[in-house]
Parts: sequence; structure tokens; C-alpha cells
Amino acid sequence: NAGVTQTPKFRVLKTGQSMTLLCAQDMNHEYMYWYRQDPGMGLRLIHYSVGEGTTAKGEVPDGYNVSRLKKQNFLLGLESAAPSQTSVYFCASSAEGTSGFYEQYFGPGTRLTVT
Amino acid sequence: GENVEQHPSTLSVQEGDSAVIKCTYSDSASNYFPWYKQELGKRPQLIIDIRSNVGEKKDQRIAVTLNKTAKHFSLHITETQPEDSAVYFCAARTHPDSWGKLQFGAGTQVVVTP
Repeated sequence: NAGVTQTPKFRVLKTGQSMTLLCAQDMNHEYMYWYRQDPGMGLRLIHYSVGEGTTAKGEVPDGYNVSRLKKQNFLLGLESAAPSQTSVYFCASSAEGTSGFYEQYFGPGTRLTVT
Repeated sequence: GENVEQHPSTLSVQEGDSAVIKCTYSDSASNYFPWYKQELGKRPQLIIDIRSNVGEKKDQRIAVTLNKTAKHFSLHITETQPEDSAVYFCAARTHPDSWGKLQFGAGTQVVVTP
């Protein structure tokens, strides 16, 4: 099993450009999440999905859009990149365990720089 | 919503000593508290977790304690080794119907010096 994978690993954008980050998981997990990680601020939830065709806003959704057309994929889009979106982006997935608790498995991250 | 505070932000310890990281949470309905370790340039990985019906859990050199009354939980690492150097994040599940969403603390940079 590859677990959770993300593409690309690195990207540099100019202000105003757009891009899509792809997250894929092969664990048949229902729930998927996009986080951004900035120094001293931990992991902040951007958007999440509780199943194919569903999405919901997290803590810091502005400037991002997401789609979950297939259960195994969760896409994060930046329509008009801004320098404030320079960050490391992590995707994660989880499923309800037998005890009802959810371990989140993270992807390797995408380092995005917006100039 | 849930708010998780984590202290200290940096922790330097001598190899062999113990390290303790503390987190407080605000939502009394939170019932799941995982700890993640993130090595430099790597992804966060779960190292231990505790549920609200348990006061303490151990796994070799790491342990977590939970005080529901005070709404705080702590990570204890004993006999620290250089490979324990990393950023550690605590988290809390915000609500039983939160779809597994976690609220993370800001992280603690642990440096173990030989």
C-alpha cells in the first residue's frame, strides 16, 4: 500500500497564478482533509470531505477550493495564488476505527512558494 | 470551537533525561487526544493516543496522561535519545460528530543533545 500520496512535492507560483494539488489514498478511507502548516502555527484545517462528492470548510478555507469526485482522490485548488498562501500543504485521510476513533494518516506534503 | 494550547514551544534536553509537553483544550466534549511526531522534512506520524475514558497510556518510553477535570493532557518521553529530536503536536477531536476532525496545538520543537 502506498498510503497517502501527494503531487507535486514542490511548486513555485507567481502571484495570481492557479494550481491544483492532488491527494490520493489507497486505504479506502471515507474522510479526507487538507491542512496547511506554517511555522509556529501547527496544522490548520483548510477543507475536508466526509465522502465522495462531499466537501466542507475548515478553519482557514478562504482562497482555496476542493473537490472529491472519486473516493480515493481529494483535490485542493488555488484559483489566484497570493504570497500569504506560501506554506507546506498536507493531505490526510482517516476512517472510523473499530472503537469509533479516527487515526489520521498524512501524505508527504507539498511545499508551495508564491512570489 | 475547540482550542488547543501547547507548551513549551521549544524544549532542549540532555540525552537520557525526560521530556514533558503539556496541552490544554477548551471543549469538554472532546474525547480523543492523539500525539503526532514530525521529523524534519517529513510527514506527521501518530505516536500515541488516549481516549477520554482512560487516564494514562504507555508505550515503551512514551506515555500520555489525561486530566479531564482540568482539561489538559501531557506527553512524557523518558530516557530521551537523539532520534527523539522532532516537532511534537498534540491534538483533540473537537466533538463526537466532528467527522474525525482534529484541532492541533502549535507544536513543540524537542532537541535532544548528546
